[in-house]
Amino acid sequence: QQPVQSPQAVILREGEDAVINCSSSKALYSVHWYRQKHGEAPVFLMILLKGGEQKGHDKISASFNEKKQQSSLYLTASQLSYSGTYFCGTEIAGTYKYIFGTGTRLKVLA
Amino acid sequence: NAGVTQTPKFRILKIGQSMTLQCTQDMNHNYMYWYRQDPGMGLKLIYYSVGAGITDKGEVPNGYNVSRSTTEDFPLRLELAAPSQTSVYFCASSFQPSVNTIYFGEGSWLTVV
Repeated sequence: QQPVQSPQAVILREGEDAVINCSSSKALYSVHWYRQKHGEAPVFLMILLKGGEQKGHDKISASFNEKKQQSSLYLTASQLSYSGTYFCGTEIAGTYKYIFGTGTRLKVLA
Repeated sequence: NAGVTQTPKFRILKIGQSMTLQCTQDMNHNYMYWYRQDPGMGLKLIYYSVGAGITDKGEVPNGYNVSRSTTEDFPLRLELAAPSQTSVYFCASSFQPSVNTIYFGEGSWLTVV
C-alpha cells in the first residue's frame, strides 16, 4: 500500500534540476510533499488536492495526475539547502490512515 | 502556539521495560498519528486516531498500545520493550489530513538495550 518513490537517491550539483516521482497502487485524492533534514521532523512543502493540479513554491513545484495515481516533485536550480529526504504522503482512500512514500534522498553538492 | 509537543525527547530503555511516549496538540485537531522511523528508513504508521475515544491500528502496531481520552492527548505505550523498537517516534496531527497540513512533533529518540 505504501506509495513508491523514485529515484531512491540522487546527487546534484548546485544549480541542477531534479524530479522525484511518487506512484501509488491505490487511488489518490490528494498528495502532500515533505522534506526531512537529518535528525529533524518532516517539514511540509505543499499539498495537491485534485488531479492535474500543479503548484509551485519558489523553485520547487509539483504536479498530480489523479488518473495515473502519480505525483512528481520538481526542484529547479537546486540549492545546498535542498538536501534532505523527500517524502510524498497521502491518506488511503476510504480510511483515515495517512501514510508516506518510500522516500528519496537528495544531496546537493557545491 | 506550541503545536504538537512530544516527551521525552530521548530515552534509553532496558529490554522488557515499559514506557509511555506523551503527545499533546493544542490546535484542536481530531486526527492524530504515531509513526516510527528506523535509521535511514521511511515513516511507518503505528496507530492513529480520528477523535477522542477512537483509535485504530496502522501498518506496524505490534508491541504498542494507544489511548485517546481527550482531543489534545494521544499517548503511545510500549510494553515489554525489545531492541527492534529502537527508533525515532513522531507524533503528528491534522484538522483533516486529505486537505490540510500534517503537523509533526519534534520526535522522540528511543534506544532499547
